[in-house]
Amino acid sequence: DTAVSQTPKYLVTQMGNDKSIKCEQNLGHDTMYWYKQDSKKFLKIMFSYNNKELIINETVPNRFSPKSPDKAHLNLHINSLELGDSAVYFCASSQVTGTANYNSPLHFGNGTRLTVT
Amino acid sequence: AQSVTQLDSHVSVSEGTPVLLRCNYSSSYSPSLFWYVQHPNKGLQLLLKYTSAATLVKGINGFEAEFKKSETSFHLTKPSAHMSDAAEYFCVVSDSDGYNKLIFGAGTRLAVHP
Repeated sequence: DTAVSQTPKYLVTQMGNDKSIKCEQNLGHDTMYWYKQDSKKFLKIMFSYNNKELIINETVPNRFSPKSPDKAHLNLHINSLELGDSAVYFCASSQVTGTANYNSPLHFGNGTRLTVT
Repeated sequence: AQSVTQLDSHVSVSEGTPVLLRCNYSSSYSPSLFWYVQHPNKGLQLLLKYTSAATLVKGINGFEAEFKKSETSFHLTKPSAHMSDAAEYFCVVSDSDGYNKLIFGAGTRLAVHP
């Protein structure tokens, strides 16, 4: 299936631990994203990479470090996990051509539910 | 800065009746607007998008939305609700920085009753 796939689907861990979430897309897109959805369903962008280059970096604690080994992968590593990091994290991709493209739809993965205890 | 306001956090309809999910946007330029749907424990799926072409946009599953610049609105409608439409719906505007940064509304939960 052509899709955005992220693993794991569920992640339960204790405060202070370091964890990673992996994301892969086989849609041939050049841009990938990480979004965070809080307990009230509010979605906010965290990062975006275009062809392995970081292009969006919102005000996210530097405990969060995205890594893009190639344009089909965007992993999210989180150090020293805190209770407030509990959320659903969504990976997404789109094809963004040129320097200004406002209307490329995003294709989302099914999310990773992170619970920090 | 761009923003969207979804006027209803919950909407409940009976199966077979019309659906109206309201969205107002704020933008200093002609925006790109989207509606996404999220079913339980799933990712988000694009329903439709407006990109300054026709003001009435048709999407998947019988949904459509009308862009009204004078009212700064982009309401989502469907003539007849189906049980499978029960989900969370997000109105979204694309930021103007050129990097396709989407700004999400708070979401509207649609419940469909038999």
